[in-house]
Order: sequence, then C-alpha cells, then structure tokens
Amino acid sequence: DAGVTQSPTHLIKTRGQQVTLRCSPKSGHDTVSWYQQALGQGPQFIFQYYEEEERQRGNFPDRFSGHQFPNYSSELNVNALLLGDSALYLCASSLAGSTDTQYFGPGTRLTVL
Amino acid sequence: GDSVTQMEGPVTLSEEAFLTINCTYTATGYPSLFWYVQYPGEGLQLLLKATKADDKGSNKGFEATYRKETTSFHLEKGSVQVSDSAVYFCALFSGTYKYIFGTGTRLKVLA
Repeated sequence: DAGVTQSPTHLIKTRGQQVTLRCSPKSGHDTVSWYQQALGQGPQFIFQYYEEEERQRGNFPDRFSGHQFPNYSSELNVNALLLGDSALYLCASSLAGSTDTQYFGPGTRLTVL
Repeated sequence: GDSVTQMEGPVTLSEEAFLTINCTYTATGYPSLFWYVQYPGEGLQLLLKATKADDKGSNKGFEATYRKETTSFHLEKGSVQVSDSAVYFCALFSGTYKYIFGTGTRLKVLA
C-alpha cells in the first residue's frame, strides 16, 4: 500500500518564477492538505482540498493556489516566488470523515535564490 | 487563536536516559493532541495521539497524557536510544481541518 508521495524531491527556483508541486495521496484517501515548513519551524497550514474544492485556507497570500484532480491527487502552485518561500512543502492526506488523522508525505524542498 | 508551545531544544541525552519534552497548548474546546517525529531529510510521522482528557497515547516506548487541567501533553520515554535522535513536534487538531504545530524540539542521543 503506497503512502503519500510527492514530487519533485528538491527544486531550485529564482525570485519571481512560478513553481508547481505535486502530491499523490495514500490509497483510499480523498482529502489533501498542504503545509509549509520553514527551516527550524513547525509546519504551517496552507489549505485543504476535498472534492476538487478548496475547503479551508490558512494565512497565506493568493500567490499560493492549488488544485485537486478527480483521482484525488493535488498540486500546489506558487507564483511570483519570494526568497521567504524557501521551505519544505508537505502534503498530507486523509479521509474526509477523519481529517484529524493525516498522513504526511516526505515533502518537497524548495529553494528560492 | 489556537497555539502550541513546546520546550526549545536541542535536548542532548546519553543512551538509556529518561526523556521529557514539554508541550502546552491554548485552544477553544477540547482538541485532539498529537506528537509527530521528523527524522533527518524526511517528512512527519505520527508518533502518538490522544483525543480526550486523561487519555494516554503510547507508541514505541513513548508516552504522553492529555492533561486538561494544565493544558499539557508532555512526551516521555523511559530509556532513549541513539535511533530516537530526531525532531519532535507537538500538535493539536484545530477546528475540522488543520493541525497547529509547535516549533519542534531537536533530540540528540549520544552512545
């Protein structure tokens, strides 16, 4: 049973560019959440997707957007990258009725130069 | 708003020493509480959880008890191993959708 997978593992971008990160949820899960983990900090909630809709959003600007596909996989898009966007981006999947039990992927390390 | 405060690290212990990592929370209602562990270069792994007051979560020798009166969820282990070296995150589940994490405590266990 595959767990949560994310791609790519690492990514280097320059300021002003755009980036897309991808996540495949654990088998059977229908809900995907995204978190940003800055160096030395705990993860911060970005948003959650269910039934291809954004269900809730954390305190992040509109430069951060997402999408969920019919197969429940998800993308996180960040536009106009800033140096401060450098972080580990974590995807977590869950079942809609049990969102307090989220399984995390290994993350994508984004470096903005 | 909801928040989690955990002791700053790093915590350095000798193998077989007793471990305590303090965690307190502020929340409306009675959230579920969690400890997650992050090994170098990896994502988060659920270590244990407790869903109501006085519940004790346990896993791999780690324990934590949900204390409503002191709003605490301290992590303990009787005898740590080198392989326990990692960053530990305390978290609460806020509302219906998201975790609120503490800043993490790095544990280093020396042989």
